[in-house]
Amino acid sequence: DTGVSQDPRHKITKRGQNVTFRCDPISEHNRLYWYRQTLGQGPEFLTYFQNEAQLEKSRLLSDRFSAERPKGSFSTLEIQRTEQGDSAMYLCASSQLDTEAFFGQGTRLTVV
Amino acid sequence: DQQVKQNSPSLSVQEGRISILNCDYTNSMFDYFLWYKKYPAEGPTFLISISSIKDKNEDGRFTVFLNKSAKHLSLHIVPSQPGDSAVYFCAALGGFGNEKLTFGTGTRLTIIP
Repeated sequence: DTGVSQDPRHKITKRGQNVTFRCDPISEHNRLYWYRQTLGQGPEFLTYFQNEAQLEKSRLLSDRFSAERPKGSFSTLEIQRTEQGDSAMYLCASSQLDTEAFFGQGTRLTVV
Repeated sequence: DQQVKQNSPSLSVQEGRISILNCDYTNSMFDYFLWYKKYPAEGPTFLISISSIKDKNEDGRFTVFLNKSAKHLSLHIVPSQPGDSAVYFCAALGGFGNEKLTFGTGTRLTIIP
């Protein structure tokens, strides 16, 4: 296992289009997190799963955002009707219970 | 409401000297603290952590100190090396039902050869 994997690494999309990102966590990790990072800021929490259950969502996660982790393994984050303000680095992390979270390389989204 | 604060956006240190990065927090429910290092265009990499039951944790060149009464922690890197140049994020965890990391805004460390 080579760590948390995210795909794609970069995505450029036109405003109004939908985008979907994928995250493959470290295989034995039951927790999976999504964060967003903009320039000059630290990562901000979006949502997290324990196995397949989505246990918490940030108020940053508007109705246009949806995340799934259907079988408790990989996860997808979809953004509908993208806006320029959605441009950011989207980070996925995974952890086992009560251990540090390990991050993927991130997906950089640019909305033009 | 910034619950984790890193008040120095940048820091430059001579190679071989000690680098000290500081972090303050406001939420007294935080009970576990982590430092992450981030290179451009990559995700954060876990560096070192400390539980609130300790006041010091050491791992090689990296030592984290925690002062609970002052709600302050610091990361010491000694000796500093050019490869340490990166953005360092302080993060906190804890409180009932709080399973998410709260990050500071980061400090860009530059090691001068």
